[in-house]
Amino acid sequence: DIQMTQSPSSLSASVGDRVTITCRASQNITNYLNWYQQKPGKAPKLLIYAASSLQSGVPSRFSGSGSGTDLTLTISSLQPEDFATYYCQQSYNVPRTFGQGTEVEVK
Amino acid sequence: EVQLVESGGGLVKPGGSLRLSCAVSGFTFSSYSMNWLRQAPGKGLEWVSSIDPSSAYIFYADSVKGRFTISRDNAKTSLYLQMNSLRAEDTAVYYCARNYENRNYENRRYYYSDIWGQGTMVTVSS
Repeated sequence: DIQMTQSPSSLSASVGDRVTITCRASQNITNYLNWYQQKPGKAPKLLIYAASSLQSGVPSRFSGSGSGTDLTLTISSLQPEDFATYYCQQSYNVPRTFGQGTEVEVK
Repeated sequence: EVQLVESGGGLVKPGGSLRLSCAVSGFTFSSYSMNWLRQAPGKGLEWVSSIDPSSAYIFYADSVKGRFTISRDNAKTSLYLQMNSLRAEDTAVYYCARNYENRNYENRRYYYSDIWGQGTMVTVSS
């Protein structure tokens, strides 16, 4: 199975900050990576697929980059509604493993 | 309006069984693969199982293989998860999600869960 490791596990940030979350795969997954946002008590929401493609309706302050084993999610200017937990998921093969999540908290 | 509505969760004793359902509306159910995913209390997300539109290709996480069975009824636009031999570690919120396939210009296939239900809680405890 491909292991996905996110860093950091949590971070504290302020509105307007630039935030970067990294996802490291245990093997080369090229760009077969999805990013999801989850708020407490809610289902996850797809943000990015294929490492850098923005899902319809997702604000452009979210972006994804990278290829291979190290991929990143960037929020260019953190907004109040962005405080949440973010997960990466590889879609290179089955089982479709997730990272452990990164909680973005208010500083 | 696109909707996925899970049902069937509840409290069950270890070793027991439960059948989850996911009623789908708002898109052509028979054209899409579907997923079950779960999230234990306070934990991260875990992919559980996937089924293709014709039920020809089915995949399971090792943690549920041999105990859980995914199925679908395209006429009823519904997805199911039969869960047998339940364990305490199966306690989680279970989500159904559409497994969208996106092909790019190089004919690469990208899969992602683009529409999710609200989830149904399964608690396995004596």
